[in-house]
Amino acid sequence: QQPVQSPQAVILREGEDAVINCSSSKALYSVHWYRQKHGEAPVFLMILLKGGEQKGHEKISASFNEKKQQSSLYLTASQLSYSGTYFCGTEDNTGKLIFGQGTTLQVKP
Amino acid sequence: EAGVTQSPTHLIKTRGQQATLRCSPISGHTSVYWYQQALGLGLQFLLWYDEGEERNRGNFPPRFSGRQFPNYSSELNVNALELEDSALYLCASSLGQSGANVLTFGAGSRLTVL
Repeated sequence: QQPVQSPQAVILREGEDAVINCSSSKALYSVHWYRQKHGEAPVFLMILLKGGEQKGHEKISASFNEKKQQSSLYLTASQLSYSGTYFCGTEDNTGKLIFGQGTTLQVKP
Repeated sequence: EAGVTQSPTHLIKTRGQQATLRCSPISGHTSVYWYQQALGLGLQFLLWYDEGEERNRGNFPPRFSGRQFPNYSSELNVNALELEDSALYLCASSLGQSGANVLTFGAGSRLTVL
């Protein structure tokens, strides 16, 4: 089952914050977040392994609620370089990694 | 260190033909994943190989197949091409450790079916 991401698209001004949500109907072993800029390959941002754990990457952090099978990606004080499509990937206990449909983030000056 | 390399970069085929795409993982990585990225559909899981074995496959017809060679490189074959197979095919490699499968993606192979 493909995880569901929301919103599908976000437009921000530089310095504003955004939250991207990811939910799954299946029990999850881990959640991954990747960012893909236009015309480029997806790039790994972070992986979360346990419920409630938060990880950070510059001004980007994420949480993973294992019980609710949900994860959220937090982007604070967004920069132009944050523009791109964000994918959450959910891994089950077999090791299979499935991605959501993506959330397109556009940061304007 | 070389990243994940894919070939060809672009491929144009006609309906009914076969396409073969290739992927070389990062040195030391034993797992190879294949994803299809069609316009507006995100990353659709195709196949996962680890240590030469097919570990899992996505909801694609049997005409999508592949294999992993002893050197861990991989090949994706698409038979009887259809127009809707036009997409970017991304290969990714990882160390193959469940729960820590951080993927490194290649730049992709753009397949166009006419």
